Amino acid sequence: EDQVTQSPEALRLQEGESSSLNCSYTVSGLRGLFWYRQDPGKGPEFLFTLYSAGEEKEKERLKATLTKKESFLHITAPKPEDSATYLCAANQGGKLIFGQGTELSVKP
Amino acid sequence: NAGVTQTPKFQVLKTGQSMTLQCAQDMNHEYMSWYRQDPGMGLRLIHYSVGAGITDQGEVPNGYNVSRSTTEDFPLRLLSAAPSQTSVYFCASRRTGSNQPQHFGDGTRLSIL
Repeated sequence: EDQVTQSPEALRLQEGESSSLNCSYTVSGLRGLFWYRQDPGKGPEFLFTLYSAGEEKEKERLKATLTKKESFLHITAPKPEDSATYLCAANQGGKLIFGQGTELSVKP
Repeated sequence: NAGVTQTPKFQVLKTGQSMTLQCAQDMNHEYMSWYRQDPGMGLRLIHYSVGAGITDQGEVPNGYNVSRSTTEDFPLRLLSAAPSQTSVYFCASRRTGSNQPQHFGDGTRLSIL
């Protein structure tokens, strides 16, 4: 069965405390993996696309990496404004299979 | 640039009522889709369209209808609302090409009593 699993479900960090979010996947015909950020009451906002194992993408304090079985979203020295739910989605021929999300809270 | 616009933002229905959730995009995207988001679950695909006049079912299509008469609009119809359809509904669009990222609207929060 095609499946995407994110961990942890929730993560609380102090400002400046770096950490990583995990997205593991078992998806046939994978055509890439997307990361999104979702703020309360809003729709998901696109962050990154990763296409092949070993690929890395960076944006400000975020870096996404991809292996054959999982993807990581590394957050370096987070700030309170990084608080959001982070979603990963496997691209299966143009259709997205989403994980449940990781709710990140960064306290000052 | 409005992007993907969904209306209404909130709606309360009684069981058995019907309604249409509206979705419009101004990016000339060929691909459009509808998802529902429930607590503890990832977004699940309801229906999608690869262009005007073409629609197909996603993972959870039962109880929903769609049509695509124009490139810009992709309405989602609930035929006879049930409490199990209480959810947040998101519309998304992307350019042609399966590797293109989808752009989402801000959702419609629907409660069925």
